[in-house]
Amino acid sequence: QVQLVQSGAEVKKPGASVKISCVASGFTFSKYYMHWVRQAPGQGLEWMGIINPSGDTTTYSQKFQGRVTMTRDTSTSTVYMELSSLRSEDTAVYYCTKSREGACDYWGQGTLVTVSS
Amino acid sequence: DIQMTQTPSTLSASVGDRVTITCRASQSIITWLAWFQQRPGKAPNLLIYRASTLESGVPSRFSGSGSETEFTLTISSLQPDDFATYYCQQYRSYPETFGQGTKVEIK
Repeated sequence: QVQLVQSGAEVKKPGASVKISCVASGFTFSKYYMHWVRQAPGQGLEWMGIINPSGDTTTYSQKFQGRVTMTRDTSTSTVYMELSSLRSEDTAVYYCTKSREGACDYWGQGTLVTVSS
Repeated sequence: DIQMTQTPSTLSASVGDRVTITCRASQSIITWLAWFQQRPGKAPNLLIYRASTLESGVPSRFSGSGSETEFTLTISSLQPDDFATYYCQQYRSYPETFGQGTKVEIK
């Protein structure tokens, strides 16, 4: 069965960076686009960006351009999202999701990132 | 960016009720629309994609319709498990965008 297992919760200071991992299993990782979506406490869902199957093309929301980097490692079926210059507004649960024909069909369990001084 | 507007933001209903949630796009997205259910503390769960295709394993009481700019999610007979928050998402163009969510509460 498809599983996306994300790394654990992080606490970061303002200005720091965070890198979250998402290990995929149960499908041919090298064939699927992967997205990252975040959700601030008590708020809605926010799309951050997408990485193509080979990992050589990414598209980021303009909101995060310059601060976000998405990468993937086919040898370990892992996708990564790094967000830099963290501020308190980046406190959120971050999700990796698998894309099937554009729709996010499977989601990781989420990783809580808390930004606090 | 394409704006997605969901209505209502909160909906109070009883078990057995027929429930409809609307999602409007600020420009045509053809049928590149998905619906998700999210329970508190959990990741979203895909219900519908391509506006009207039921995801495998999702109960048939859920249905989706619409095209271009207006879409609906209908739950034909609300069950206790269905009290949750629902989101629409367009994937016609980047950045992909979500509606603000509709919380379905027990009346």
